[in-house]
Amino acid sequence: NAGVMQNPRHLVRRRGQEARLRCSPMKGHSHVYWYRQLPEEGLKFMVYLQKENIIDESGMPKERFSAEFPKEGPSILRIQQVVRGDSAAYFCASSPGRGNQPQHFGDGTRLSIL
Amino acid sequence: SQQGEEDPQALSIQEGENATMNCSYKTSINNLQWYRQNSGRGLVHLILIRSNEREKHSGRLRVTLDTSKKSSSLLITASRAADTASYFCANPTQGGSEKLVFGKGMKLTVNP
Repeated sequence: NAGVMQNPRHLVRRRGQEARLRCSPMKGHSHVYWYRQLPEEGLKFMVYLQKENIIDESGMPKERFSAEFPKEGPSILRIQQVVRGDSAAYFCASSPGRGNQPQHFGDGTRLSIL
Repeated sequence: SQQGEEDPQALSIQEGENATMNCSYKTSINNLQWYRQNSGRGLVHLILIRSNEREKHSGRLRVTLDTSKKSSSLLITASRAADTASYFCANPTQGGSEKLVFGKGMKLTVNP
């Protein structure tokens, strides 16, 4: 039973480039969450999606960031025109539904901006 | 802010000793969850305790919850070097997305 798969594990971009982070949830899970973690910090919520729908994007910066979870394929977190401050670890988690369900995390994508 | 806070922020113990971590949160909850994060890895779910439960066990882990004090504790008994990691408590927001609200975490070092 494969867990949550994220790729790439490490991504290096220059300022102004685009970063695309992918997340395949656990089999049977239709709820996907994205979180961001700065060094020595806890995780901060960014966005919550179900298949083809963004349910809660209250933690997402208004500009340059977008997320999708298409009917087929992985969830994508996209960051346009990256800046140094976007350097962080980005984690995806999935769950089978709401209501006292733990979230299962991938190993994250570590984004470094040169 | 709903953010939980772990206490202490860092703990160093010898193998075989017990480790206790405390967590406080600010709002009412449906459940509280504890996660472990090894360096460079994602979070691993350890245990979920519901708001109507006071204590829960899983192997060497024991979690307590006091909703009147808005606090929880995680006890790891007979610690091992492999328990070295950061530990986080998190509570899902009520209703809506149930996104997890994390504290800053506690770094546990178990010395062999």
